[in-house]
Amino acid sequence: DAGITQSPRHKVTETGTPVTLRCHQTENHRYMYWYRQDPGHGLRLIHYSYGVKDTDKGEVSDGYSVSRSKTEDFLLTLESATSSQTSVYFCAISEGRGQGATEQYFGPGTRLTVT
Amino acid sequence: AQSVTQLGSHVSVSEGALVLLRCNYSSSVPPYLFWYVQYPNQGLQLLLKYTSAATLVKGINGFEAEFKKSETSFHLTKPSAHMSDAAEYFCAVSLYNFNKFYFGSGTKLNVKP
Repeated sequence: DAGITQSPRHKVTETGTPVTLRCHQTENHRYMYWYRQDPGHGLRLIHYSYGVKDTDKGEVSDGYSVSRSKTEDFLLTLESATSSQTSVYFCAISEGRGQGATEQYFGPGTRLTVT
Repeated sequence: AQSVTQLGSHVSVSEGALVLLRCNYSSSVPPYLFWYVQYPNQGLQLLLKYTSAATLVKGINGFEAEFKKSETSFHLTKPSAHMSDAAEYFCAVSLYNFNKFYFGSGTKLNVKP
């Protein structure tokens, strides 16, 4: 299994509070991604990173920010959590060779509940 | 824009029967295609991938998928279902030389004894 960990694995927080989720990899892969998974929607991309300090938005980026100061860590921050952000969050990594996409490897997920 | 459609959010088969999970994609350029499996309370695991080599791709656990450009499809099959195949399956597409992935909404496979 690819070395990807996510922390915390479960979190309950109140509306309006900031929340930071951490993804850590030991594979030295260039690309890192944050997705949210909701019933009936599959996985939707929030943000992704293509290198240290290089990030871009995905399809559902409103209300989220990310940072990547080291190759191995990719942080997702909910600036002011809302109930609509209750979801399961997955981190993924990809080697991302220059010629074509390689597969993604996924972390175990973080279940976030906003009350 | 790229999109992935998985027909049937729930599929139920009997143990030993053929498994067929459908995936259609839309892409203006040749895509890379993937199938992932997710067991309850776990992350996604790669089953197989198509990257423009052979159109029939074999994956783990006896699954295979065939890329059909004319039909823009990448259906997943397994000749004989096993109880351990019960899970949710996701089809995903990515473009050549581009590292964003687009996922279908998933198909939950139920295997009846």
